[in-house]
Amino acid sequence: EADIYQTPRYLVIGTGKKITLECSQTMGHDKMYWYQQDPGMELHLIHYSYGVNSTEKGDLSSESTVSRIRTEHFPLTLESARPSHTSQYLCASVSVSYGYTFGSGTRLTVV
Amino acid sequence: AQRVTQPEKLLSVFKGAPVELKCNYSYSGSPELFWYVQYSRQRLQLLLRHISRESIKGFTADLNKGETSFHLKKPFAQEEDSAMYYCALSGNTDKLIFGTGTRLQVFP
Repeated sequence: EADIYQTPRYLVIGTGKKITLECSQTMGHDKMYWYQQDPGMELHLIHYSYGVNSTEKGDLSSESTVSRIRTEHFPLTLESARPSHTSQYLCASVSVSYGYTFGSGTRLTVV
Repeated sequence: AQRVTQPEKLLSVFKGAPVELKCNYSYSGSPELFWYVQYSRQRLQLLLRHISRESIKGFTADLNKGETSFHLKKPFAQEEDSAMYYCALSGNTDKLIFGTGTRLQVFP
């Protein structure tokens, strides 16, 4: 089924660990986005990509990095997790016809 | 600066009552406005967009450029409307700018 998938849904990890949040879509969309959302706050764009080998930083400064080696895959990496990275991370892909499709999100807790 | 403001964090109504979730925006050009909804334990999904001029699940929203508003309305709220609602703006790119969201609680 054409959709966008994020794994894991929940992650609790210790300070200093390297983590990768996975995001994959099977819709063939070129444009993909990562948003960060703290509880009770708005979603902030942290990274986006308009296609393979294209990545840009969003409006909110983030210590995370992303890659886009394949159209369907847009992982986000934190080299050294800190408690300040605790948040929800939402991935989305965009089509002209249907607009944004969001994944279920990854709720990250760094202890 | 581009900004979306949702002044109410929580809106509580009884079933059958009218609902209006407020959204004001700041944008110098011609924006595209959206309402997204997130039901409990579900993902964020598009409810409606102003260019469609549709009524989805009984909800409507009219873009008022003079007041820079895009309020979401429903004449008779239902319990299943309880959810988190986000207003969002898109300018001359695909990037969405979100408001802080309003939680709608509909009591029986």
